[in-house]
Amino acid sequence: QEQLQESGPGLVKPSGTLSLTCAVSGDSISGVHWWTWVRQPPGKGLQWIGEIYHRGRMNYNPSLQSRVTISLDKSKNQFSLNLTSVTATDTAMYYCARGSSLLFSWGQGIPVTVSS
Amino acid sequence: EIVLTQSPGTLSLSPGERATLSCRASQTVNSNYVAWYQQKPGQAPRLLIYAVSTRPTGIPDRFSGSGSGTDFTLTVSRLEPEDFAVYSCQQYGNSPPTFGQGTKVE
Repeated sequence: QEQLQESGPGLVKPSGTLSLTCAVSGDSISGVHWWTWVRQPPGKGLQWIGEIYHRGRMNYNPSLQSRVTISLDKSKNQFSLNLTSVTATDTAMYYCARGSSLLFSWGQGIPVTVSS
Repeated sequence: EIVLTQSPGTLSLSPGERATLSCRASQTVNSNYVAWYQQKPGQAPRLLIYAVSTRPTGIPDRFSGSGSGTDFTLTVSRLEPEDFAVYSCQQYGNSPPTFGQGTKVE
């Protein structure tokens, strides 16, 4: 079974860019799966951010679409999340997962705080 | 987007008891594409149920799902110590996929 591991800065300044990476082991991101980012603000429910397929197809949550980019690095078997113009409301636990809308396996998550 | 409302917010039970968790959608979920996830602190969320009532391989049969349309239920027939966690429902039949706010079983 594959494993997913998020990495990146735990603190981002307001108006900056949040950049996270998800390293995948035990599976190829160039295979048949979609790869997804989800987040959970403190005390709130999960929010689907967006997904990517190895053939270059991407779908984003309309509420975040203007600020989000998800990309693949096939050479490193990982995928990434970029979220621009962040504010305190982007403070959350960020998860990467395998699957499209239905998420079969997840990383443990990485906490990100937006603060000066 | 579809809003999912879970109830109760917290369920206080003892091992061996039955847990019944509710998830109500603001509109009909296409194709009954509803899933349930289990979350424990410091651990990756785990998919428990998909398509309302299907368990992935490895999920114990004490977990079951039911419902249709806008009302869905997760039942844990007899709580084991490792089942005390937060449970979130998700609809993935309409875009974007959305989640409930979670029910904590303590």
